[in-house]
Amino acid sequence: TQLLEQSPQFLSIQEGENLTVYCNSSSVFSSLQWYRQEPGEGPVLLVTVVTGGEVKKLKRLTFQFGDARKDSSLHITAAQPGDTGLYLCAFRSSGTYKYIFGTGTRLKVLA
Amino acid sequence: KAGVTQTPRYLIKTRGQQVTLSCSPISGHRSVSWYQQTPGQGLQFLFEYFSETQRNKGNFPGRFSGRQFSNSRSEMNVSTLELGDSALYLCASSSPGSDTQYFGPGTRLTVL
Repeated sequence: TQLLEQSPQFLSIQEGENLTVYCNSSSVFSSLQWYRQEPGEGPVLLVTVVTGGEVKKLKRLTFQFGDARKDSSLHITAAQPGDTGLYLCAFRSSGTYKYIFGTGTRLKVLA
Repeated sequence: KAGVTQTPRYLIKTRGQQVTLSCSPISGHRSVSWYQQTPGQGLQFLFEYFSETQRNKGNFPGRFSGRQFSNSRSEMNVSTLELGDSALYLCASSSPGSDTQYFGPGTRLTVL
């Protein structure tokens, strides 16, 4: 059973388009992290959301944590080829302190 | 500050062999975690070391083991390799009290 489901699994869009990817679970999280992994590299932390309903912006990326802290979304405005990569959400289990990663969304932005 | 480094970057082994992967954390980081990443299972937690002690362990067979040295460098070992062990092995380090993990570029292991 996957604790964190991400959708869509794959996304290919043209430069300049907007997109939203989702991270869903039936569990409540104290916080959620978003990472981007580029080919040949390890994941890089983009943001941590903590409060239900919280919205954080990182340039053209907007992250939202659901009110019930069970889901999160990442919206990219005017996507660029440099946004290409694997987007992962993750949380740290409060019981075991292990990091659990989502299934990932593989994004390709075409020039 | 230098980032997390992993060696080797690429490795090809045959079934039944064993392999040792190395990870050097960011200076001052005492926690090192290891992950296995495959297309089918995604990113899965292997184990975490802190101050030379295994603090956490994922659901992997005993063929997967690790250790951490006094300088916080860590190694992981996989014995009796199976085809399904082909994966990208990532390590990540973090500083005490921080939830932010910094990942290395990974070691791509191919088992033939």
